[in-house]
Amino acid sequence: GQQVMQIPQYQHVQEGEDFTTYCNSSTTLSNIQWYKQRPGGHPVFLIQLVKSGEVKKQKRLTFQFGEAKKNSSLHITATQTTDVGTYFCAGPTSGGSNYKLTFGKGTLLTVNP
Amino acid sequence: DTGVSQDPRHKITKRGQNVTFRCDPISEHNRLYWYRQTLGQGPEFLTYFQNEAQLEKSRLLSDRFSAERPKGSFSTLEIQRTEQGDSAMYLCASSLWTGGNNEQFFGPGTRLTVL
Repeated sequence: GQQVMQIPQYQHVQEGEDFTTYCNSSTTLSNIQWYKQRPGGHPVFLIQLVKSGEVKKQKRLTFQFGEAKKNSSLHITATQTTDVGTYFCAGPTSGGSNYKLTFGKGTLLTVNP
Repeated sequence: DTGVSQDPRHKITKRGQNVTFRCDPISEHNRLYWYRQTLGQGPEFLTYFQNEAQLEKSRLLSDRFSAERPKGSFSTLEIQRTEQGDSAMYLCASSLWTGGNNEQFFGPGTRLTVL
């Protein structure tokens, strides 16, 4: 079945350093979504990428969708303590109609103030 | 608060007991999903409703699990004869499917502990 893999599993940074998490799918995706889950919280939607090679920015966050639509990345510039949490990528299951998402295991980001 | 709500937030039960969880989605959303999340893992798809119709159930879900969404509003997830392996966070999410963006809004979850 479809697999979505994320690396690294954990990342600890000093406040102000940059952070990047990578997502790879075993199959081509029609789109990819990113979610953030704070410790003790629930996943919160960040963004959806649809087009091959698409790049979107949200303040200090930059999201990219690979040309082959099988990989994606999230880059945070100058991390802050409010960025702490687990970042998940998720893609629709192959052949599905976008409703069934396969989530990666996530990257847990901790930030040392 | 007009977000997704779930009840109860925590449930502790003994092995073999039945439990039922409730999810109230955002009112205008036509899609409702149930996920299960264990420590260190991403949410795992369990089942999905479009309005009141249950359109898919994960093959990972045993026959002890059943979900309903009467009248296309709130949904319930029942687990019969609970096992220790059922201990997890059960997340509900809803979305308004418009053919494009499928942003899913998650509720706070119900944490189940089976003793």
